[in-house]
Amino acid sequence: DTEVTQTPKHLVMGMTNKKSLKCEQHMGHRAMYWYKQKAKKPPELMFVYSYEKLSINESVPSRFSPECPNSSLLNLHLHALQPEDSALYLCASSPIWGDRGMYGIQYFGAGTRLSVL
Amino acid sequence: GQQVMQIPQYQHVQEGEDFTTYCNSSTTLSNIQWYKQRPGGHPVFLIQLVKSGEVKKQKRLTFQFGEAKKNSCLHITATQTTDVGTYFCAGLAAGGTSYGKLTFGQGTILTVHP
Repeated sequence: DTEVTQTPKHLVMGMTNKKSLKCEQHMGHRAMYWYKQKAKKPPELMFVYSYEKLSINESVPSRFSPECPNSSLLNLHLHALQPEDSALYLCASSPIWGDRGMYGIQYFGAGTRLSVL
Repeated sequence: GQQVMQIPQYQHVQEGEDFTTYCNSSTTLSNIQWYKQRPGGHPVFLIQLVKSGEVKKQKRLTFQFGEAKKNSCLHITATQTTDVGTYFCAGLAAGGTSYGKLTFGQGTILTVHP
């Protein structure tokens, strides 16, 4: 099973709403990622969790709040978003192995297409 | 910071023609990965290149990693309409703790005309 599951597939929210995106994987991967992707652009890294701890925050605004409750789940909490935050939000996971923490290839979920009105 | 340049941005070909996209990193890479994203889809892993000068083939797709581990290319022979999509290279920086952070190229959008 090489599947990363993201819910919901589509989300429309107002600028005052609070919503959450969810990501789940059962491949035993200990690294999980959030990316933001605009049309015709590459994925842009937002956060990396390694062994359920936040290891990279790419200076993302605080209106995006990640959470990793356990090794299989990753959430992204959204609050007071702006219209320019409308994008495809991708979750990915990868294995980590070895004493030097080698990160393997990333498997992407299908994404949540977010529209902020 | 690390940058990965990818060209061309767009490529239109007739079905049956060949296609190549090129990536060049500003720094030496630990490895380079290639992903394909179909229109409306998500990135799907194609291949990973790790060794200097490595060449790998998947049917009509040939992937190369440069001797200096700073550049790579993907070549598709005799394109088919199923090859349509955006091809991204993504490099993992050499040395230190990267936490798996990939630096993506801008992608090449491939259109295949039947």
